[in-house]
Amino acid sequence: KAGVTQTPRYLIKTRGQQVTLSCSPISGHRSVSWYQQTPGQGLQFLFEYFSETQRNKGNFPGRFSGRQFSNSRSEMNVSTLELGDSALYLCASSSLSAHTDTQYFGPGTRLTVL
Amino acid sequence: AQSVTQLDSHVSVSEGTPVLLRCNYSSSYSPSLFWYVQHPNKGLQLLLKYTSAATLVKGINGFEAEFKKSETSFHLTKPSAHMSDAAEYFCVVNDLDTGRRALTFGSGTRLQVQP
Repeated sequence: KAGVTQTPRYLIKTRGQQVTLSCSPISGHRSVSWYQQTPGQGLQFLFEYFSETQRNKGNFPGRFSGRQFSNSRSEMNVSTLELGDSALYLCASSSLSAHTDTQYFGPGTRLTVL
Repeated sequence: AQSVTQLDSHVSVSEGTPVLLRCNYSSSYSPSLFWYVQHPNKGLQLLLKYTSAATLVKGINGFEAEFKKSETSFHLTKPSAHMSDAAEYFCVVNDLDTGRRALTFGSGTRLQVQP
C-alpha cells in the first residue's frame, strides 16, 4: 500500500498570506490528523477529521482550519500567516478513530514564513 | 489529562552497546503508548505500540519497550545500538480522554551513536 502523501513538501510564504496544505491518507483510512512540529513547541496536535467531520481540535487559533473530502483526502489552511507559523506540518492517517489505532505519518510539509 | 515526559533530551552510546530511552506518562484512563522515530528531514515512523495486551512489546529493528503501570513508565530499549539508529525518538500517549483522541508527544530524545 502506498503511504501517506503530503503536498507540497516545501513552501515559502510571506506574512499575511494564506496557505493550503494537502494530505492523502493510506487507502482505506478514514481518519486524518494534523500536527505542527517546531523546535520550540515540539509536536502539537492541530485537529482530526473522520468521515468528513472534525472530531477533535487542538489549542490553535481560528486561523488554522481544515476539511476532509469524501475520498478521505484532507486539506489544512492557515490564513494571515505569521512568522511563528513556520514549522513542519505533519499529517497522519489511521483506519479508525480509536485511541488504540496506529497513526501513520506522512513526510510533512515544511512551511517557511518570511 | 494525558502527558508524557521523556527524561533525557540527548543520549549518546557507542555502537554495539545497549540503548535505554526513558519515558514516563500520565494518564487518566488506560492509555495506548507508542514510540516513534524520526530521522533527519523525514516523517515519523512507528517503532512499537502498547494497547493493554502484553506488557513487553517488541517492535521493529530490535527495539522493545516494557509497560510498567506501577511506575507509569514505558522505557525503550535495544540490546545493541547500530549507527543507523541515530535519530530522534518520541514517546507518545493516546488516552481515551473524553472527546479527544489525539496523540500527545514527549519532547523527544536525540540518540547519538558513536563508532
